[in-house]
Order: sequence, then structure tokens, then C-alpha cells
Amino acid sequence: EIVMTQSPATLSVSPGERATLSCRASQSVSSKLAWYQQKPGQAPRLLIYGASTRATGIPARFSGGGSGTEFTLTISSLQSEDFALYYCQQYSNFYTFGQGTKLEIQ
Amino acid sequence: EVQLLESGGGLVQPGGSLRLSCEASGFTFSSYAMSWVRQAPGKGLEWVSAISTNGYSTYHADSVKGRFTISRDNSKNTLYLQMNSLRADDTAIYYCAKVDGYNWNPFDSWGQGTLVTVSS
Repeated sequence: EIVMTQSPATLSVSPGERATLSCRASQSVSSKLAWYQQKPGQAPRLLIYGASTRATGIPARFSGGGSGTEFTLTISSLQSEDFALYYCQQYSNFYTFGQGTKLEIQ
Repeated sequence: EVQLLESGGGLVQPGGSLRLSCEASGFTFSSYAMSWVRQAPGKGLEWVSAISTNGYSTYHADSVKGRFTISRDNSKNTLYLQMNSLRADDTAIYYCAKVDGYNWNPFDSWGQGTLVTVSS
């Protein structure tokens, strides 16, 4: 099983600033990496797939990078609606999710 | 607009069974692989089961293998999860998720989930 590790567990950032979330795979997943956003009481929403491609309707302030085992999700100029939980997911070998990063308002 | 509506959750005793359903609309159901994903209270996401477009290929996480069975009825646009020998650690919100194409692609749409509580 491919283990996905996200860091940090909690990230405190002020609105308008940039946030960078990290995700590491226990073995290479090539670019088969997705990011999801989840708000309280809601289902997850696909943000990024293929490590760097934004899903339909996702604002340009969200960007993904990396390949192999190291990945990042960057949110430039944080908006109030961006404070949420974020999960990475590999789909190279079945599916596994990271444990999540909580992005909170500083 | 893609819609996924789960049903069938509830309270069940340990060792009991439950069948979840996910009714799909807004897309050609038979053309997309589907999965179930669960989330225990206050915890992260865990993939549970996946099924191919025609239902012939199914996959389950080790944590549910031998106890859960995923299936689909393309004539009814409905996905199912039969859960047997339920345990307390199966307590979670269960989401059905549409795969962006065939299996082992990301989940581009999710239902709102149905809560399963396993307790005596």
C-alpha cells in the first residue's frame, strides 16, 4: 500500500497571504496525485488532478506541483472561503488519501 | 448537473448487515467507474471499494475485504454497497464517488454521504 503523508497537520495563515501544503508518497506515484477540499458538513471537492491540472471551476489561485513522491498545493492570496481541510490522494495503485491538512485563519 | 444521492445508512448492531445505495443522475452512469469512500467521525478519508463501468471488476480495501461487496445496476443508474459482519470501526459517513473515467482516476463528483453507525 502506498502511504501518503501530509504536512503540516494544521496551517495558520492570514487572509490575503499564500499557503503551501505538502504531500509525500511512500513510493513514486508519477503524476497520479489529486487534491481535494472539504468544508465542515460537506463532501470533498476535487481541486487538482494530475498533480497540477485544476478541475473544472477551480479558481486560478489554486495551483499544484510536484511529481514522483513530493507534491505541493499552493493557494495564493487566501480568501475566506479557502479555510478548510485539504486532502491529497494517489491513484497510481488503487487509492489512498493523506491524513489531511487543516488550513485555518491566523 | 451530476447528482449522487446515497441512502440506506442507519444504526446497526455489531455483526449486522446494511445495504447502501447511491442513485446517480445527470451523466451516463454506465460509462463511469464508481467508488465508495468513508470518513469516520472526526477522521480522514478512506477509500473502501471500486467497481468498473460494467460491474465485472470490483476491488475492496483490505479493511473490508470479505465483508463488503460493491455492485451496480446500470439499468437503474444505481450503485450499491452490501456491508456484512459490521464492526464498530465501520462507523462512518459513506460517500459514493464518480470516477473521472475508468478506475484509478480521481473522483470528480461526490454524493453528500450517508451515516452508518455500528453500536449495540
